[in-house]
Amino acid sequence: QKEVEQNSGPLSVPEGAIASLNCTYSDRGSQSFFWYRQYSGKSPELIMFIYSNGDKEDGRFTAQLNKASQYVSLLIRDSQPSDSATYLCAVDRSSNTGKLIFGQGTTLQVKP
Amino acid sequence: DTAVSQTPKYLVTQMGNDKSIKCEQNLGHDTMYWYKQDSKKFLKIMFSYNNKELIINETVPNRFSPKSPDKAHLNLHINSLELGDSAVYFCASSQDVGRGYTFGSGTRLTVV
Repeated sequence: QKEVEQNSGPLSVPEGAIASLNCTYSDRGSQSFFWYRQYSGKSPELIMFIYSNGDKEDGRFTAQLNKASQYVSLLIRDSQPSDSATYLCAVDRSSNTGKLIFGQGTTLQVKP
Repeated sequence: DTAVSQTPKYLVTQMGNDKSIKCEQNLGHDTMYWYKQDSKKFLKIMFSYNNKELIINETVPNRFSPKSPDKAHLNLHINSLELGDSAVYFCASSQDVGRGYTFGSGTRLTVV
């Protein structure tokens, strides 16, 4: 079992729809959770981080964390073609080391 | 000003050669990292330095040797390059790991 798992996709949604990206992790002691966006040929850029169970909203993005079920998700409202990218989920198992474990990423395609 | 800069951006070299990748950050962060992203976009940590001290050393062939002359610089030297070393290498830095990393633009290494 991989430490951090994502469906590689591609996930295709029409413009204006809600895109839902999911991630599960194996280490129940994981502390912090991150979503990065990576455009083709570019470096990952941080979208959001979340520590506590529940929802965290930032603009069109909402991160959801459920530690009991060991999953974290990212919702993108009013999806735009510019949101088309690979979304990487990352988990910090211990806040002391800073070692992020990444999932393999989900490719999102937003069609006009 | 670029926050985390890597040089070179592209590197094509023959098997058996030795090469170096340089990384500099002007964010004042204490911790720097090297990650390798393979052809399937899977990001895996290699090394981490905190204020010039090695704190993470993953299972990486000893042909890879990091060096941090000061906390703003983290270089990666690779000896006897192999075909399997072909990947994109990302440098990253963080001050508070709980808030994620800032990645450099990456170095695409191709070994022929």
